[in-house]
Amino acid sequence: GAVVSQHPSRVICKSGTSVKIECRSLDFQATTMFWYRQFPKQSLMLMATSNEGSKATYEQGVEKDKFLINHASLTLSTLTVTSAHPEDSSFYICSATTKKGQKVSTDTQYFGPGTRLTVL
Amino acid sequence: AQTVTQSQPEMSVQEAETVTLSCTYDTSESDYYLFWYKQPPSRQMILVIRQEAYKQQNATENRFSVNFQKAAKSFSLKISDSQLGDAAMYFCAYRSRQGGSEKLVFGKGTKLTVNP
Repeated sequence: GAVVSQHPSRVICKSGTSVKIECRSLDFQATTMFWYRQFPKQSLMLMATSNEGSKATYEQGVEKDKFLINHASLTLSTLTVTSAHPEDSSFYICSATTKKGQKVSTDTQYFGPGTRLTVL
Repeated sequence: AQTVTQSQPEMSVQEAETVTLSCTYDTSESDYYLFWYKQPPSRQMILVIRQEAYKQQNATENRFSVNFQKAAKSFSLKISDSQLGDAAMYFCAYRSRQGGSEKLVFGKGTKLTVNP
């Protein structure tokens, strides 16, 4: 149990375009999803927290208009990087938790495999 | 604010030997969770072990065990009978149980190399 998928695993785009990354919980209902960014050889940096059906809460310094997060259902959250620039190139990771006491532990974050974004 | 410190940027161990990774944290809270996550070269974050602060008993998962010292705010991970597949970055993380926050506070990680 506790499988989280991300799509795509890698994406290359041109500067100025938008890119959407999907995060899905495959075998549980994710009441909360998190988006992280990870630079090479560094720890994870939390970008935002989203609860199903409500607006995401962004961490200080994260541009809301650049990183659009939608948590439309209990199994899907999306991160859209708008007007991407080379400095947005990074590894983006999502995670999910549940409070619905299913087959997975509540209050534990389960992570997706990540998406490598390269902006040319 | 809570902080997590991993003082060993890199560690190495011989295959089949035992290694201990250190983690200390700072908090004024009494109720919280602590986690160890593993990130192999694939970069998939994998939960290794979880500890609830109210539990005195140290968590174990097969070859992985923790030494949780609440008063000292220490949470070390012991890997026994190390295997080549244990080579990875290991992150210690803290999660509050108060105030409804589900955020994880991560340490900077320890890179573990397993030598054959």
